[in-house]
Amino acid sequence: GQQVMQIPQYQHVQEGEDFTTYCNSSTTLSNIQWYKQRPGGHPVFLIQLVKSGEVKKQKRLTFQFGEAKKNSSLHITATQTTDVGTYFCAGPDSGGYQKVTFGTGTKLQVIP
Amino acid sequence: DTEVTQTPKHLVMGMTNKKSLKCEQHMGHRAMYWYKQKAKKPPELMFVYSYEKLSINESVPSRFSPECPNSSLLNLHLHALQPEDSALYLCASSQVYRNNEQFFGPGTRLTVL
Repeated sequence: GQQVMQIPQYQHVQEGEDFTTYCNSSTTLSNIQWYKQRPGGHPVFLIQLVKSGEVKKQKRLTFQFGEAKKNSSLHITATQTTDVGTYFCAGPDSGGYQKVTFGTGTKLQVIP
Repeated sequence: DTEVTQTPKHLVMGMTNKKSLKCEQHMGHRAMYWYKQKAKKPPELMFVYSYEKLSINESVPSRFSPECPNSSLLNLHLHALQPEDSALYLCASSQVYRNNEQFFGPGTRLTVL
């Protein structure tokens, strides 16, 4: 079945440093979504990318979708303590049109 | 209202108990989902309802029984669970179109003794 892997699994950064998580799918994706889950919380949708090579920005967050539509990245500039949480990418699964497969996640810890 | 609510927040049950998890949304979404999330793992899809009909069952054991009584409500009935079923159970909803963003509820933290 489809696999969606993320690296790194964990990342500790000093507040103010940048952070990047990478997402790689075993299959080509029609789109990719990103979610953030705070500690003790639930996943919250951040963004969806659809086009090959697409880049979208949300304040300090920059999202990219690879040219081959098999990978994606999330980059956070100048991290803040509010960025703490686990970031998941999620891609559509061929097993059903409403089914998405979540990536393995990257847990971000920001040291003040 | 962009909120998905879930009750209860926490549930402790024995292996012989029967309990139900409830989920409600008033965003007009016609797709609703149950996910199971173990610690330090991503959410795993269990069931999808589309227009109140079960459209996806990810080979979930029959001790989990979903129900969608109307377009706003989603239940998950639990019976004869095992300790390894302890997890965070998340409900989500979305538009029915392919791969719309999903809105998640806060989840029910289930412990099976």
